[in-house]
Amino acid sequence: GAVVSQHPSWVICKSGTSVKIECRSLDFQATTMFWYRQFPKQSLMLMATSNEGSKATYEQGVEKDKFLINHASLTLSTLTVTSAHPEDSSFYICSAKGLAGEDTQYFGPGTRLTVL
Amino acid sequence: GDSVTQMEGPVTLSEEAFLTINCTYTATGYPSLFWYVQYPGEGLQLLLKATKADDKGSNKGFEATYRKETTSFHLEKGSVQVSDSAVYFCALSVSGKLIFGQGTTLQVKP
Repeated sequence: GAVVSQHPSWVICKSGTSVKIECRSLDFQATTMFWYRQFPKQSLMLMATSNEGSKATYEQGVEKDKFLINHASLTLSTLTVTSAHPEDSSFYICSAKGLAGEDTQYFGPGTRLTVL
Repeated sequence: GDSVTQMEGPVTLSEEAFLTINCTYTATGYPSLFWYVQYPGEGLQLLLKATKADDKGSNKGFEATYRKETTSFHLEKGSVQVSDSAVYFCALSVSGKLIFGQGTTLQVKP
């Protein structure tokens, strides 16, 4: 149980285009989903927290107009990188929490974004 | 502020050696503590967790004990395998968010 999927697993796009990444909880309802960014050989940096049906809460320094997050249902959250630039190239990982009050986050396999 | 500090890697061991990866934390209150493992090119997998002082989390031969007096949550395994080669992250949960250590790379050689 507690499986989280991401799609696509990797994507290459041209500078200036937008890219959407999907995160799905497959066998549970995710009240809260998180989006992280990971640079090579570094730890995970939390970008934003989203609760189903409400606006995402962004961490300090994360541009909300650039990284659009939608959590329209209890099993799906999307991250759209708008007007992508090479410096946006990174590994993006989502996670999900199910039951309220539960601490454990379940992580997706990640999406490798390369902006040319 | 709340933080997690892990021992620097990489840690290189021979197969069947004993493993310890140190993790200490700073937090107000009583956070839950976690170890996650990341295999190359993949996301994070929950390895084990402990929710209160003196709890021991265990999974796949790995163990870690929540030590409040030393604010530590060291990861141990008695006999590592080549398949254990990965990056290990210690983390604590505060206000519903995870704060990660910097990760420790483990390389196990046959």
